[in-house]
Amino acid sequence: AQSVAQPEDQVNVAEGNPLTVKCTYSVSGNPYLFWYVQYPNRGLQFLLKYITGDNLVKGSYGFEAEFNKSQTSFHLKKPSALVSDSALYFCAVRDMFSGGYNKLIFGAGTRLAVHP
Amino acid sequence: NAGVTQTPKFQVLKTGQSMTLQCAQDMNHNSMYWYRQDPGMGLRLIYYSASEGTTDKGEVPNGYNVSRLNKREFSLRLESAAPSQTSVYFCASSSPLAGLAGPDEQYFGPGTRLTVT
Repeated sequence: AQSVAQPEDQVNVAEGNPLTVKCTYSVSGNPYLFWYVQYPNRGLQFLLKYITGDNLVKGSYGFEAEFNKSQTSFHLKKPSALVSDSALYFCAVRDMFSGGYNKLIFGAGTRLAVHP
Repeated sequence: NAGVTQTPKFQVLKTGQSMTLQCAQDMNHNSMYWYRQDPGMGLRLIYYSASEGTTDKGEVPNGYNVSRLNKREFSLRLESAAPSQTSVYFCASSSPLAGLAGPDEQYFGPGTRLTVT
């Protein structure tokens, strides 16, 4: 079965510094990987996805993610953190329903706290 | 274009009471999902509807039922609420690439915060 792991419950970073939120995956076949963000009292919002091709994927709000097949990782990154980036971040991997439809398997989430 | 809407936003139930959570999407998506979110556990899939007229169990279906009323609406029912069902519930929708189950992003509603006492 497909799965993702987010090894850090919380990441703390100072505003202006680069940030990394880690995700590792376990899949059979080609991985289709996603990052979502959840702001307080809101639903999840799509940030970016990796399907195939370039290992560096660019997404919304200046975020990017690096796919590394040998390390089975898909870490989320941003060169310069903002206080407004403080939120809960979820990594997800696509799995398949019977009948060929998609579903997403989510990690437990990592809380990002950016301090002024 | 409202996206995915959910009602109610908050609900408090007593053990044994029943209720229905409503979800609607206006993006003409085929697939709809119900998740619950609990601290430290991420999102867990309760039920999904791959297309209008079909529903199937996800990871944690016990204690829940669903109805895909039409293409827009997908409701989640708790027949006899239990404290273990205290959670935040999210509805989501998505649209597979034409003809194939291609990778697609899901669009989420704002959530329903349910407390069962």
